[in-house]
Amino acid sequence: GQNIDQPTEMTATEGAIVQINCTYQTSGFNGLFWYQQHAGEAPTFLSYNVLDGLEEKGRFSSFLSRSKGYSYLLLKELQMKDSASYLCAPMDSNYQLIWGAGTKLIIKP
Amino acid sequence: GAVVSQHPSWVICKSGTSVKIECRSLDFQATTMFWYRQFPKQSLMLMATSNEGSKATYEQGVEKDKFLINHASLTLSTLTVTSAHPEDSSFYICSAKGGRDTDTQYFGPGTRLTVL
Repeated sequence: GQNIDQPTEMTATEGAIVQINCTYQTSGFNGLFWYQQHAGEAPTFLSYNVLDGLEEKGRFSSFLSRSKGYSYLLLKELQMKDSASYLCAPMDSNYQLIWGAGTKLIIKP
Repeated sequence: GAVVSQHPSWVICKSGTSVKIECRSLDFQATTMFWYRQFPKQSLMLMATSNEGSKATYEQGVEKDKFLINHASLTLSTLTVTSAHPEDSSFYICSAKGGRDTDTQYFGPGTRLTVL
């Protein structure tokens, strides 16, 4: 079967760094997406990794290891507005995104 | 770039009526559009995938006669919830891909449907 494993909830402090881990199992693999979803809103695209390694985009970076079925999203210089759910979504052999429940990140002052 | 709009953003209707939700890609041609449903504190659930000019592909358990999808152009897809019931109350979100990043799905802002 296909599944995604992310922590349900994490808490971090404003200004700090947090790493959200994701392990996945899919039927085939065509890359992995990270989305941010604020409560009551639709997801917004953060990053896409298809090759192994680290992709940096401002305060956010995403890492992928295909052999380990593992990815992480690194958020630096946390701001209160970063409080949201972060969705790890690998794409399977049919180019279909597989969705888990995501990680709810709580930022405290 | 890659902006997707959805209308209406929220709707309240009586049980038994039909509701149409529109999804538009504003600055790119969407080869594929997706319709999702999300209940509170749950993950996104894919309902159907539609390609312009062809019939939508529905996920298992989604009634195609109840959730009518029309993808008439490369920038517009509609979802009609027919004979809505209170259990259909949910957050409906569309996404589209086909822009410069051909595999990236860009989401509309969602439509919150409440059926009384």
